[in-house]
Amino acid sequence: QKEVEQNSGPLSVPEGAIASLNCTYSDRGSQSFFWYRQYSGKSPELIMSIYSNGDKEDGRFTAQLNKASQYVSLLIRDSQPSDSATYLCAVIVTGANSKLTFGKGITLSVRP
Amino acid sequence: DAGVTQSPTHLIKTRGQHVTLRCSPISGHKSVSWYQQVLGQGPQFIFQYYEKEERGRGNFPDRFSARQFPNYSSELNVNALLLGDSALYLCASSPGTGGHEQYFGPGTRLTVT
Repeated sequence: QKEVEQNSGPLSVPEGAIASLNCTYSDRGSQSFFWYRQYSGKSPELIMSIYSNGDKEDGRFTAQLNKASQYVSLLIRDSQPSDSATYLCAVIVTGANSKLTFGKGITLSVRP
Repeated sequence: DAGVTQSPTHLIKTRGQHVTLRCSPISGHKSVSWYQQVLGQGPQFIFQYYEKEERGRGNFPDRFSARQFPNYSSELNVNALLLGDSALYLCASSPGTGGHEQYFGPGTRLTVT
């Protein structure tokens, strides 16, 4: 089993819809959770971090963490064509210093 | 404030050669981590340096080495390049070690022919 899995994708939604991106992780010692957005040919850009169970909202983005079920999700409300990108889920395991472990990413396409 | 900077932007090398990639972190950040990203995959952790000391090493061969300087900038060195080393090399900056947020530079695209 891979440490961080992002199995659903590619994902296509119409403009204005809610995009839901999911990620599961295997190490229960994971302490920090991040979502990065990566446009084609560019480097990853941090869009959300979450450290405790529950929801965290920032503008159109909401991150949700459930440590008991070992999943973290990202909701994008009112999706825009400019949200079309690959979204990478990453975790840091306790004791692993700053080592980010990434999933392979989900490609999101927002149709105008 | 300036973000993370990396140089060069692109690089083409021949198999067997050596390459040095450079990174300057965000001002005030003391930790630099290096990642390798091949097409279609998430970044893979190579090294972390904090306060000039190696704090983590990923599953990469000894051909890969790095160091951090007193001004917290960092270099990644790769010896005896292989075709499989072709990738986007990313540097990430964070205030310290642990679970802090990390911010990536623009990356160096290395092509080995």
